[in-house]
Amino acid sequence: IVMTQSPDSLAVSLGERATINCRSRQTIFYSSDNKNYLAWYQQKPGQPPKLLIYWASTRQSGVPDRFSGSGSGTDFTLTISSLQAEDVAVYYCQQYYSDPPTFGQGTKVEIK
Amino acid sequence: QVQLQESGPGLVKPSETLSLTCTVSGGSTSYYYWTWIRQSPGKGLECIGYIYYTGATDYNPSLKSRVTISVNNSKKQISLKLTSVTAADTAVYYCARGPFDGRYFDLWGQGAHVSISS
Repeated sequence: IVMTQSPDSLAVSLGERATINCRSRQTIFYSSDNKNYLAWYQQKPGQPPKLLIYWASTRQSGVPDRFSGSGSGTDFTLTISSLQAEDVAVYYCQQYYSDPPTFGQGTKVEIK
Repeated sequence: QVQLQESGPGLVKPSETLSLTCTVSGGSTSYYYWTWIRQSPGKGLECIGYIYYTGATDYNPSLKSRVTISVNNSKKQISLKLTSVTAADTAVYYCARGPFDGRYFDLWGQGAHVSISS
């Protein structure tokens, strides 16, 4: 399943909202369990990706609540409600509805 | 806390076999899926394949003919072998842990950079 993120990069002022979009070419919602099979990751330079969100909107333990995920079916959003300096990174969405799991191309978030 | 560490040669010659090991410390391999993922500038993040602690495997169709993933639960190690490598296999290789109920990845190793060059 092809995953497409937009934009490729964005610059946001400290304390402002950052919004990243992710679209799948086919639905990644399973009606049998009412779940969207989508995760979000944050990757900082020289580090592996870090899980932020899974099942489209469940925040991983320890992730600040300024990070939230939403959406269903084929369209999803990662929102950083108030951008902090430490949030500068590349963000990836990933579907796990079908094998092999696939990732979006990434969105680079910078400080304006 | 649980940590993953990839190890293996950083340089492999074309046509040879890339071999990497992921060692789990502070925890067990049981009841998790273990996936090898690679990242390169050209292809982004790509899942190579996974193994469940029982030994069940599944591989990316694009790499299936060249990949073998195995697990040694007593040593807490997951191994990757990729045969007949080319320059296109140059990447950072990660091992990652996933829960039984979904193929997302809640823990990653630091990654092993592997270059394919003569």
